[in-house]
Amino acid sequence: GENVEQHPSTLSVQEGDSAVIKCTYSDSASNYFPWYKQELGKRPQLIIDIRSNVGEKKDQRIAVTLNKTAKHFSLHITETQPEDSAVYFCARNSGYSTLTFGKGTMLLVSP
Amino acid sequence: EAGVVQSPRYKIIEKKQPVAFWCNPISGHNTLYWYRQNLGQGPELLIRYENEEAVDDSQLPKDRFSAERLKGVDSTLKIQPAELGDSAVYLCASSPSAGAYEQYFGPGTRLTVT
Repeated sequence: GENVEQHPSTLSVQEGDSAVIKCTYSDSASNYFPWYKQELGKRPQLIIDIRSNVGEKKDQRIAVTLNKTAKHFSLHITETQPEDSAVYFCARNSGYSTLTFGKGTMLLVSP
Repeated sequence: EAGVVQSPRYKIIEKKQPVAFWCNPISGHNTLYWYRQNLGQGPELLIRYENEEAVDDSQLPKDRFSAERLKGVDSTLKIQPAELGDSAVYLCASSPSAGAYEQYFGPGTRLTVT
């Protein structure tokens, strides 16, 4: 399948700052865009997702925005905390329910 | 509710040896996925099952990899013979049905081939 481009590859912020991770894709048929958080040595955990019939979705300190016209979607984390430090992966559905993942962003939140 | 269970968690083998990984999905989940995650990369799909049927195995290297899900619940992924490049984390995920997009991952099996 076609790739998902994810940027940046690493992101360092101070505790309390906001963090934004952006992903772009090219397959206009994609309609489901999840974000996963993976701590070192742990399983990827689904933290938020968005479908193509909405432009934004929020869950406490995290939000995802989707621009289907421009084919990009972003993860926003506000008031970052040290426990937010992890690798974050975006993904899109390709074909039916198969997911294609980005290469990940390592987020480091310094106290 | 128990999550996706995988075993073993770690496996070290010499090249050319066989290895098998086991996955038990979340109860009631009909769709099961096997992914491979190389260091510093996102998961890449190897095979997807709907119940006991493999509906997408286009990325599975069939010369050395095989998988089965005989009763539509547990699944086994096998590599024979293993190569150095097979060193990776093998993740299993499950989803309630083909129409449900959300996928829930197991802890993975970290394979090291020496």
